[in-house]
Amino acid sequence: GENVEQHPSTLSVQEGDSAVIKCTYSDSASNYFPWYKQELGKGPQLIIDIRSNVGEKKDQRIAVTLNKTAKHFSLHITETQPEDSAVYFCAASKSGGSNYKLTFGKGTLLTVNP
Amino acid sequence: GAVVSQHPSWVICKSGTSVKIECRSLDFQATTMFWYRQFPKQSLMLMATSNEGSKATYEQGVEKDKFLINHASLTLSTLTVTSAHPEDSSFYICSASRGGEQYFGPGTRLTVT
Repeated sequence: GENVEQHPSTLSVQEGDSAVIKCTYSDSASNYFPWYKQELGKGPQLIIDIRSNVGEKKDQRIAVTLNKTAKHFSLHITETQPEDSAVYFCAASKSGGSNYKLTFGKGTLLTVNP
Repeated sequence: GAVVSQHPSWVICKSGTSVKIECRSLDFQATTMFWYRQFPKQSLMLMATSNEGSKATYEQGVEKDKFLINHASLTLSTLTVTSAHPEDSSFYICSASRGGEQYFGPGTRLTVT
């Protein structure tokens, strides 16, 4: 089955700096890669996703890049703010209808220091 | 859009009793919903895939007779933890699939005493 590795497990940055979280996946058939933000005691929130036919996607301060050859994808957050502090999870799946399963990375605790 | 709710948000029950958790997609229909379990400081672990009108598909190691799932409509799936024990205490999260994307509920904190 699919295996997703996520690094680093913790990341501390100063407000205004950039943060990068990296994930690798094992199944070359995976073609959908979402990123979720989870605040303490809450459910994960989809913040951005990318499909295998695209190399990069950006939404304001958040961007995701995908390298299919190397089987890795990354989340980039620019101009970080204290409210960006949370646990971030990457995931991978083989889409093809709604009945698909996500395989999650172990998460990255991001702390943005004011 | 794509709002998913869960009820209750937290519940405390005694060992041996059963607890039902509801998951609703509020503004879209979902033929597929998923149930996850999350322990503190860990990732989400998929328990089962719930399909409207059919039996749920459970992940390896998840007891289907202990974690009963019913997906009776396109907007509602329920998870019943039967004969709960302290080791069942966890954060249970559902998600609903729309257009190939998964949207998560806020989670239910279950504590079994």
